[in-house]
Amino acid sequence: DAGVIQSPRHEVTEMGQEVTLRCKPISGHNSLFWYRQTMMRGLELLIYFNNNVPIDDSGMPEDRFSAKMPNASFSTLKIQPSEPRDSAVYFCASRPPGLAEGGEQFFGPGTRLTVL
Amino acid sequence: GQQLNQSPQSMFIQEGEDVSMNCTSSSIFNTWLWYKQDPGEGPVLLIALYKAGELTSNGRLTAQFGITRKDSFLNISASIPSDVGIYFCAGQYYGGATNKLIFGTGTLLAVQP
Repeated sequence: DAGVIQSPRHEVTEMGQEVTLRCKPISGHNSLFWYRQTMMRGLELLIYFNNNVPIDDSGMPEDRFSAKMPNASFSTLKIQPSEPRDSAVYFCASRPPGLAEGGEQFFGPGTRLTVL
Repeated sequence: GQQLNQSPQSMFIQEGEDVSMNCTSSSIFNTWLWYKQDPGEGPVLLIALYKAGELTSNGRLTAQFGITRKDSFLNISASIPSDVGIYFCAGQYYGGATNKLIFGTGTLLAVQP
């Protein structure tokens, strides 16, 4: 079975440019999470969706960040304009429905973003 | 963002040794998870714990959900070189409006053949 798919795996861009990261969750999963990982701050939750609806975006750094989930099989995280401090690895994770106990998120391979 | 206290930060051991790491929180959790992250990859789920006091094994890995619901530990027995990586704990309290995982700061494990 395919896991969470993210693209691109690596992105190098210049400050001020728009960046779009893409994620395809595991088929059948109904929750999707976007994380950012840096050495200084570790893994931080940016936003998560349940049944394509954004539930908690309190981790989104600022208005330059936006995320969408137009359908159950696709989500994007956009940064516009990008800044050097946005350089990090961005992970997408998904979770299956019906887990009353919660937890068990499955992570994609990540997108390593470098903003020059 | 909020993080769990995970220790040790790093471990350098010889192949064959046992390893122990733990996480503590000021908040109670309903779920504890342990992940491993290899370089250039995303975290991979190792063990999930759902009940206070629960002890669960996955091969050479054993994890426990603390009785107070504020801590968890992970043991690796007879370590091998492929155990190298960063291990993260994650806790979740559900029952509110959101079901977020809070991640530990990670334990870097290096195994000398």
